Amino acid sequence: QQQVKQSPQSLIVQKGGIPIINCAYENTAFDYFPWYQQFPGKGPALLIAIRPDVSEKKEGRFTISFNKSAKQFSLHIMDSQPGDSATYFCAAWNNNDMRFGAGTRLTVKP
Amino acid sequence: NAGVTQTPKFRVLKTGQSMTLLCAQDMNHEYMYWYRQDPGMGLRLIHYSVGEGTTAKGEVPDGYNVSRLKKQNFLLGLESAAPSQTSVYFCASQVRGKNTEAFFGQGTRLTVV
Repeated sequence: QQQVKQSPQSLIVQKGGIPIINCAYENTAFDYFPWYQQFPGKGPALLIAIRPDVSEKKEGRFTISFNKSAKQFSLHIMDSQPGDSATYFCAAWNNNDMRFGAGTRLTVKP
Repeated sequence: NAGVTQTPKFRVLKTGQSMTLLCAQDMNHEYMYWYRQDPGMGLRLIHYSVGEGTTAKGEVPDGYNVSRLKKQNFLLGLESAAPSQTSVYFCASQVRGKNTEAFFGQGTRLTVV
């Protein structure tokens, strides 16, 4: 059973759109929440991460929103570009154990 | 600076055969991990190590063994491969635990027939 539930499975947006990917968790012991980006044939790479004492974090065009009471967090990509087309994974840390969501395949059309 | 290197990149095994996947990192990281990636499942932790000579089980350890005899290397072994072990395997390393970036290798695509 997935400890981190991610939606949607796939997402198609036009260039300049703002795709939003959502994740939810149950285990309140999770205390660090990274997002990873993966291109075909490559390993995942860290995109942005947030701690639960912060409600929002922005790095460039990428923003994480975190709702601790709802145990939900989301990734927003501003002004999306075709080069952002990739699979995105949310994750949650507890001690030495990082649990991943199932992934969202994002396609940004030119 | 090579980062995290996995060997081999592709492999086809017959059911019952054994093999070892090698992960090497040149960043002097303490923590190393082995994950498997399956469609619709994300990445699942198999085993991990918080330092040379130490290993621990992750979420899906059955059918796998690991060793960390040298700080820079983390080996994943399949003693008797099964078709259910067909997957893409990723190794990752971190300078220490959470709150630090995990660096992933490029993956090993393993098919068990």
